Amino acid sequence: KAGVTQTPRYLIKTRGQQVTLSCSPISGHRSVSWYQQTPGQGLQFLFEYFSETQRNKGNFPGRFSGRQFSNSRSEMNVSTLELGDSALYLCASSLDGGVGNEQFFGPGTRLTVL
Amino acid sequence: EDQVTQSPEALRLQEGESSSLNCSYTVSGLRGLFWYRQDPGKGPEFLFTLYSAGEEKEKERLKATLTKKESFLHITAPKPEDSATYLCVLEANDYKLSFGAGTTVTVRA
Repeated sequence: KAGVTQTPRYLIKTRGQQVTLSCSPISGHRSVSWYQQTPGQGLQFLFEYFSETQRNKGNFPGRFSGRQFSNSRSEMNVSTLELGDSALYLCASSLDGGVGNEQFFGPGTRLTVL
Repeated sequence: EDQVTQSPEALRLQEGESSSLNCSYTVSGLRGLFWYRQDPGKGPEFLFTLYSAGEEKEKERLKATLTKKESFLHITAPKPEDSATYLCVLEANDYKLSFGAGTTVTVRA
C-alpha cells in the first residue's frame, strides 16, 4: 500500500512569492490534514479537509489556504511568503479523521524562504 | 485552553537503560491521546492511541499509559534504533489537536 506522498520535497522561494504544495493521501483515506513544523514552534496544525470541505482550522493567517479534490488529493497554498514561513510542511491522511483514526504522515516539503 | 507539555526535552540513555517520557495535559474533554515517533527529516510515525484513563498499549520496547492528567511512554531496554523524537498529541472533544514539543531520545551503544 503506497504511503502519503508530498511534492515537491524541497522548495526555495523569496519573500513575497507564493507557493503551492501537493499531498496525495493513502488510497481510500478521505481526511487530509496539514501541519507546519519548525524548530522553535514544533508541530502546528494548519487545517483539515474531509470530502473536499475544510472541517477544522488552526490559528494561521489567511495567507495559508488549502483545498481538497474529489480524489482526496490536497493542495496547500501560501501567498505573500515571509521569512518566518520557512518550515517543514507535513501532510497526514486518515480514513475519516477523528479519534482512533491514526494519521499517516508524508515525508514533508521543506520550504525555505529567502 | 488545551495544553500539552512534554518532559524532558531531551533524554540521553545508554543502551539497555530503561526510562520514561512524560506528557502532561489539560483538556476540557479528551477524545484521544496519540504518541508518534519522528526521525530527522521524516514525517511522524504513529505509535499508539489511548482513549481513557487506565488504558495501556505496548509495542516492542515501548509501552504507553494514560491517567486523567498525563501519559507516559516507557522505553524498556532501549536500543540505538529507538533514538528519535517522540511526540504527544491530544485530541479534544471538539476535534482540535494540541501538540507537545516532543522529547528527543538519544540511545548510545
